[in-house]
Amino acid sequence: DQQVKQNSPSLSVQEGRISILNCDYTNSMFDYFLWYKKYPAEGPTFLISISSIKDKNEDGRFTVFLNKSAKHLSLHIVPSQPGDSAVYFCAAMRRFTSGTYKYIFGTGTRLKVLA
Amino acid sequence: DAGVIQSPRHEVTEMGQEVTLRCKPISGHNSLFWYRQTMMRGLELLIYFNNNVPIDDSGMPEDRFSAKMPNASFSTLKIQPSEPRDSAVYFCASSPGAERQHFGDGTRLSIL
Repeated sequence: DQQVKQNSPSLSVQEGRISILNCDYTNSMFDYFLWYKKYPAEGPTFLISISSIKDKNEDGRFTVFLNKSAKHLSLHIVPSQPGDSAVYFCAAMRRFTSGTYKYIFGTGTRLKVLA
Repeated sequence: DAGVIQSPRHEVTEMGQEVTLRCKPISGHNSLFWYRQTMMRGLELLIYFNNNVPIDDSGMPEDRFSAKMPNASFSTLKIQPSEPRDSAVYFCASSPGAERQHFGDGTRLSIL
């Protein structure tokens, strides 16, 4: 049962245009959502996050939007650059009253930015 | 500032052999995570430790998998006996709190 889904395994975008990566989740109890970027032969690196109480967070060229009613979040990259070509993972985190937490990652979307 | 260090980077071994993957988290981080990456399931959380104590091991696939964290600067993930379906990239990550995790570069494991 995949609680965090990235339904598009790959995406190609022209340099300078907008890249939109999507993520759907099923559990309304998640407290935090994060995006990680992964280059080949390297570990994922944190990109941007958003609390469940917000609907938008922006950091430079990267913006994450959260639509809680649709249980959907998206990552917008504007303008896209060739160096953005990587696999992007969506992740959801739930914090428990015990102080522990649970992370669930999606399967990833491979973004290719064409020069 | 050293990141999360994993060893070995690559491991090729025969079915039935014991495999041990190692991780050194970032100093001062109190949470450590082991993940497995596959094409079908993406990044699966296997186990996570908080202050060296295993908190959630519900992702460990079978009894053949075990993980330890004897101190704050070292953790191991062991597979015994290994099987071809265990072939994957295994990542270790650490974090100072609940949100952002810092990943190592992974161990690519091939079981023949």
